[in-house]
Amino acid sequence: GAGVSQSPSNKVTEKGKDVELRCDPISGHTALYWYRQRLGQGLEFLIYFQGNSAPDKSGLPSDRFSAERTGESVSTLTIQRTQQEDSAVYLCASSLDRLNGYTFGSGTRLTVV
Amino acid sequence: AQSVSQHNHHVILSEAASLELGCNYSYGGTVNLFWYVQYPGQHLQLLLKYFSGDPLVKGIKGFEAEFIKSKFSFNLRKPSVQWSDTAEYFCAVIPYNNNDMRFGAGTRLTVKP
Repeated sequence: GAGVSQSPSNKVTEKGKDVELRCDPISGHTALYWYRQRLGQGLEFLIYFQGNSAPDKSGLPSDRFSAERTGESVSTLTIQRTQQEDSAVYLCASSLDRLNGYTFGSGTRLTVV
Repeated sequence: AQSVSQHNHHVILSEAASLELGCNYSYGGTVNLFWYVQYPGQHLQLLLKYFSGDPLVKGIKGFEAEFIKSKFSFNLRKPSVQWSDTAEYFCAVIPYNNNDMRFGAGTRLTVKP
């Protein structure tokens, strides 16, 4: 598609439930990134996928967070047993290479109640 | 810890005023530098980027940024702001030999008509 697509755009979930967030990158973009943006704060790196290489998971805040990517296409970010501190906007970005910057999706606003 | 610092949290200007938003980083070696903008209700968009060459980089919408290696800075400037420049501005760095982009906390710009 023309841009990075994320779904759902908004998600309200009860504490303790699992959630799954989806990202469709720009076709042909080999790199895919997940970031978290808490209210009034900058972007916090979560995980990075590059082609078929092992993902860089160094930013995942706990083992409740995991992500998968099928080849160079869709990625899903899963948060298990959600906590209120997980409430944030989760942003996905893709890029052709590190020199061209990232194209961001509109994000998924997650609210844990 | 290595970081990207944006010292101004909120800047308020009148239309036609000049703008300078500060960005400093603490990574050594070669870095790639970016400024992103997030207009209200919209996703992050790339304003400009620096990789090498002329340290004065021109971006979209009349913005420019100057890379000063000795000061580890990449300040964003615009000679005359407009009401439509009201947005959040993020400085970002890809450190040498790193996969992910590190973001500053952002600066909120409010331009009064």
